[in-house]
Amino acid sequence: DGGITQSPKYLFRKEGQNVTLSCEQNLNHDAMYWYRQDPGQGLRLIYYSQIVNDFQKGDIAEGYSVSREKKESFPLTVTSAQKNPTAFYLCASTTRGPSPQETQYFGPGTRLLVL
Amino acid sequence: AQSVAQPEDQVNVAEGNPLTVKCTYSVSGNPYLFWYVQYPNRGLQFLLKYITGDNLVKGSYGFEAEFNKSQTSFHLKKPSALVSDSALYFCAVRVMLLEGSARQLTFGSGTQLTVLP
Repeated sequence: DGGITQSPKYLFRKEGQNVTLSCEQNLNHDAMYWYRQDPGQGLRLIYYSQIVNDFQKGDIAEGYSVSREKKESFPLTVTSAQKNPTAFYLCASTTRGPSPQETQYFGPGTRLLVL
Repeated sequence: AQSVAQPEDQVNVAEGNPLTVKCTYSVSGNPYLFWYVQYPNRGLQFLLKYITGDNLVKGSYGFEAEFNKSQTSFHLKKPSALVSDSALYFCAVRVMLLEGSARQLTFGSGTQLTVLP
């Protein structure tokens, strides 16, 4: 899992609650990414950020928000507007992005469950 | 648009036998192709990538993949499977756009490999 940490490992959300997933990297990577993984669907891109204080929506951004105040950190907030948040969330980073040959390295993931 | 297909949800192989996990892609332009492996409740680990050059790419843990442009395929292979190779495997593609930027990675739906002792 390299130098990318995600916390918590498991997270429980109540109805109407916002929750924040943490992603930190010590690889000095410029670009960071958030993916959602559902069984049988592969990974889908939620948000990505190529530099500090800048980020773009991915394919499924609705109901999520992010910030990039520091190069090392890219937290993801799952808002109450996300009606089906139960999934495995993966954070990734690259040295720069989105250069085509750059390899994305992944964190260990956070599993979000709804109570 | 770019897309990746992994036609087999599940592949079973006996330990010691060769294994193949299939991947086909569809892109407009030159593809950059990646294979990742995921163990239960873990993140994805990078195995190998094709950028350009030799069509046979060697990667981690004895895995290799063959890029076939005419068949738009990038199958993952290993000559002799181990029980510890049992995991979920993902193929991914990225393409360089004409204006000089690159699209984000697109992942296949994954193939569960089970190596039987």
